[in-house]
Amino acid sequence: EDQVTQSPEALRLQEGESSSLNCSYTVSGLRGLFWYRQDPGKGPEFLFTLYSAGEEKEKERLKATLTKKESFLHITAPKPEDSATYLCAVQDLSGGYNKLIFGAGTRLAVHP
Amino acid sequence: EADIYQTPRYLVIGTGKKITLECSQTMGHDKMYWYQQDPGMELHLIHYSYGVNSTEKGDLSSESTVSRIRTEHFPLTLESARPSHTSQYLCASSEYGGPNTQYFGPGTRLTVL
Repeated sequence: EDQVTQSPEALRLQEGESSSLNCSYTVSGLRGLFWYRQDPGKGPEFLFTLYSAGEEKEKERLKATLTKKESFLHITAPKPEDSATYLCAVQDLSGGYNKLIFGAGTRLAVHP
Repeated sequence: EADIYQTPRYLVIGTGKKITLECSQTMGHDKMYWYQQDPGMELHLIHYSYGVNSTEKGDLSSESTVSRIRTEHFPLTLESARPSHTSQYLCASSEYGGPNTQYFGPGTRLTVL
């Protein structure tokens, strides 16, 4: 069964303290892996799509990487405004309707 | 930049009432989706549509229904609201071909008393 597991569930960082969030997945055929940011009470905001192992994408202080079994979201020198829940989702090749399977997210808090 | 809108943003309603949650997008996307999300939990797909007059149920069983009469509009209806329907409802859309990047609306927080 397709599954997405994110760790840690919650992460507290000091401003400027770099760290990484993990997304482990089990799918029969990966079509794409997606990272979203979700602020409290709002809908997820799209960050990145990764398609194949070895691929990397960057946006400001965020960098996403992908292997055959997991993806990392690296946060370099975070600021308080980076505080949010980060969601990972995978799209399965075998799915009949391009469904996304979401993890429960990592709640990130960056303190000044 | 995604342009997808949901109304109302917040709704508190009594048991047994009929409600419709609105979702509209101005990007001309063929695919639209409804997800349900409880606090701290995963998003679960409850309905999706590939285009006008196309609607399907998602993975999570839901007592809601949807319609797709216009490309830009994908409303969700609960005929008789119950406390178990209390949740966050998120609408999303994506292009038909290519990567299935889904763009989300701001959500509707529904509370059924």
